Amino acid sequence: AQSVTQLGSHVSVSEGALVLLRCNYSSSVPPYLFWYVQYPNQGLQLLLKYTTGATLVKGINGFEAEFKKSETSFHLTKPSAHMSDAAEYFCAVSDRDTGNQFYFGTGTSLTVIP
Amino acid sequence: EPEVTQTPSHQVTQMGQEVILRCVPISNHLYFYWYRQILGQKVEFLVSFYNNEISEKSEIFDDQFSVERPDGSNFTLKIRSTKLEDSAMYFCASSGGRVRGSNEQFFGPGTRLTVL
Repeated sequence: AQSVTQLGSHVSVSEGALVLLRCNYSSSVPPYLFWYVQYPNQGLQLLLKYTTGATLVKGINGFEAEFKKSETSFHLTKPSAHMSDAAEYFCAVSDRDTGNQFYFGTGTSLTVIP
Repeated sequence: EPEVTQTPSHQVTQMGQEVILRCVPISNHLYFYWYRQILGQKVEFLVSFYNNEISEKSEIFDDQFSVERPDGSNFTLKIRSTKLEDSAMYFCASSGGRVRGSNEQFFGPGTRLTVL
């Protein structure tokens, strides 16, 4: 089964600073890769996904992520943090061949300091 | 914008009682899912449902759990005899299912189940 690791359960950044949230997956065959965001009392909302093609993908709210096969990583970045980015962020993967279930990381809680 | 809805938002029950968690997926979606998140832990897959039957299920989804799509809109998760360890946030999701595994899953806001 897939394993997804998100380093850092809590990340704090200053407003305007770079946001970097880390995600690594375990499989030797690159899966489909997703980042979701969860605001308080809301469901998970897709930020971006990688399925094929260009390895740098852009998502909503100025976020982007780069798939690096050699590092089995899909880190999420945003050049300049905004107060409204404070939320829980989840990395998820699904196998290309075996099914539709998503495997999630433990999540990273992002705090933005004014 | 279409969204997945879940009711209730919070359910409190006594150990051993049956609970039914309800979800209304996005209307033209084909795949339906239940996930759960125990406090402080990962979001874990429970089950997926397609064409009126279970297509995948995890080890967590034992005989105490069942899913049903009783009509054209609702998708339910039933826990027959709740245990303390069933306390968690339960998320419903749906997807269009065009390409296996690659489709965005749209998540509901979750139902927080507390078993006393």
